[in-house]
Amino acid sequence: GPKVLQIPSHQIIDMGQMVTLNCDPVSNHLYFYWYKQILGQQMEFLVNFYNGKVMEKSKLFKDQFSVERPDGSYFTLKIQPTALEDSAVYFCASSLEGSSAETLYFGSGTRLTVL
Amino acid sequence: AQSVTQPDARVTVSEGASLQLRCKYSYSGTPYLFWYVQYPRQGLQLLLKYYSGDPVVQGVNGFEAEFSKSNSSFHLRKASVHWSDSAVYFCVLSAYNYAQGLTFGLGTRVSVFP
Repeated sequence: GPKVLQIPSHQIIDMGQMVTLNCDPVSNHLYFYWYKQILGQQMEFLVNFYNGKVMEKSKLFKDQFSVERPDGSYFTLKIQPTALEDSAVYFCASSLEGSSAETLYFGSGTRLTVL
Repeated sequence: AQSVTQPDARVTVSEGASLQLRCKYSYSGTPYLFWYVQYPRQGLQLLLKYYSGDPVVQGVNGFEAEFSKSNSSFHLRKASVHWSDSAVYFCVLSAYNYAQGLTFGLGTRVSVFP
């Protein structure tokens, strides 16, 4: 089936530095998402993105977070600066449409460790 | 606010045996409900989804789930498991207006032994 690729699978970074997580969504999809899962906790919604704009974001999407998809390339999540509590697995997802019943296609996640 | 509870963190089952994974949800409206599965080193994949009609929905690989509004549940079943069914299974809720995205359960890790 359709694949969402996330690069890299692991990232270790010092607190205060910037990090960019990359996602290659399904080619014809129009809606893009980031979810965050802290170890032992539920996966939680961060943000969704459509037509070059953030459509919805949760309270977890701090001011230090930003997303973009320049020129139809990777969909990225940038954290600047990073904090210890940003350590988590970040999952990217995409979908063709944005309805509540839509199927999302997820990547395998990027494990971010902030030291 | 909505929530999803998967009471079993881990389930171990023998190959060929039946499997039931429990899911309870809390939501004031009519939810859209999904089961996703994550195999090792892969992304989450949709098994099945429910949003209206027959409360028993069929999914891929012989899985089915039954929606119960009175019990606020959406349990997943499979009659006979295979070793390849070893994975983490997530029950997921989507609110009608999609505000704040999907709500995930903690997941149930299923281990199938020969």
